[in-house]
Amino acid sequence: DQQVKQNSPSLSVQEGRISILNCDYTNSMFDYFLWYKKYPAEGPTFLISISSIKDKNEDGRFTVFLNKSAKHLSLHIVPSQPGDSAVYFCAASAGDRRYNFNKFYFGSGTKLNVKP
Amino acid sequence: EPEVTQTPSHQVTQMGQEVILRCVPISNHLYFYWYRQILGQKVEFLVSFYNNEISEKSEIFDDQFSVERPDGSNFTLKIRSTKLEDSAMYFCASSAPMTGRAFFGQGTRLTVV
Repeated sequence: DQQVKQNSPSLSVQEGRISILNCDYTNSMFDYFLWYKKYPAEGPTFLISISSIKDKNEDGRFTVFLNKSAKHLSLHIVPSQPGDSAVYFCAASAGDRRYNFNKFYFGSGTKLNVKP
Repeated sequence: EPEVTQTPSHQVTQMGQEVILRCVPISNHLYFYWYRQILGQKVEFLVSFYNNEISEKSEIFDDQFSVERPDGSNFTLKIRSTKLEDSAMYFCASSAPMTGRAFFGQGTRLTVV
């Protein structure tokens, strides 16, 4: 079941530069997308989300872009900081309103390393 | 920020034994989930639970698994007759109505030996 794909298992970026993490999906029914950040030995923590009615959502240093025609979303972190080093998962949902987006499909994650 | 709490943080069990993983979701949330992550693999959906019943489950969630909300605060995942391949991090999550955002617990690392 590869409905959400993160093709880059790792990314290394210099502190202060932009980090761009990519995610592709195959299910055109997905209408809600999230990015989670995960440190070792911890659960995923929510970072930012976007619904399919938007193409961009910004929260501080984090911006998520959604290209529905390409079934592609990306997370931009500007400027990148060493504390951003973690595994980033994108997740998508088909948004069954009866059940409040009850099933998220996760990508395999991209490990971001921000070098000081 | 409110938290989802999972216990134990690490559980070691012998193959064939039953384990119960426990979770305390955020108090005003109504939707509860279990996910798992086998080492080196992606986070996988197992089951979602709403209004005291399973709302959806994955093909992984077979008769070996069950979930229960025995009281107003706990949400448990029972794995019967554990197998080596059940070794994974198990994450509980909960969400409030119509937010789409799930809050995850720290996870329980299950090791089946």
